[in-house]
Amino acid sequence: DGGITQSPKYLFRKEGQNVTLSCEQNLNHDAMYWYRQDPGQGLRLIYYSQIVNDFQKGDIAEGYSVSREKKESFPLTVTSAQKNPTAFYLCASSAGGAETQYFGPGTRLLVL
Amino acid sequence: GQNIDQPTEMTATEGAIVQINCTYQTSGFNGLFWYQQHAGEAPTFLSYNVLDGLEEKGRFSSFLSRSKGYSYLLLKELQMKDSASYLCAALSGGSYIPTFGRGTSLIVHP
Repeated sequence: DGGITQSPKYLFRKEGQNVTLSCEQNLNHDAMYWYRQDPGQGLRLIYYSQIVNDFQKGDIAEGYSVSREKKESFPLTVTSAQKNPTAFYLCASSAGGAETQYFGPGTRLLVL
Repeated sequence: GQNIDQPTEMTATEGAIVQINCTYQTSGFNGLFWYQQHAGEAPTFLSYNVLDGLEEKGRFSSFLSRSKGYSYLLLKELQMKDSASYLCAALSGGSYIPTFGRGTSLIVHP
């Protein structure tokens, strides 16, 4: 049963803490993406990776970091430098090029 | 730069037809996606238009005019479960990274 998974569903962050959001796909997709969604806003691109061991900054990369050591995994770390991290985080994958993106169920990050 | 515009909110009656418009300005253009997103859930793919014209998929149809930078999503025989946000995303030339609009929140009432 192919798909894209994200964990956890909800995540709480304390001030000054780094947290890591997981994203895994078994669709054999080359490309993976991280988006942030705030109320009333569209999806904003944080980072994307078109191939293993390579990734690029999106429009709002400051305060975030990623790694792409395996094709199926693209974890996102929200660092303490991100001053307004409360949002809904969506991971997506695609076969690359102009192919359709498929989204995971999302992680809602809240600050304590 | 890239700019995607779609209405913030629309309301419609169950059983009716609704058209959600999207205009885009991109540097180069490869195609346009429509996604449906229920509150608190992931967006799900509805359609992808590359060529001008109307593509029909059951109750949902999507139209594209490349020369006008315009697309619409047409929903027929509306059901309560169609209440959701509809996201328009344009794929610009070269980058293959879609730029998303803010989404149109559709409310279907009895």
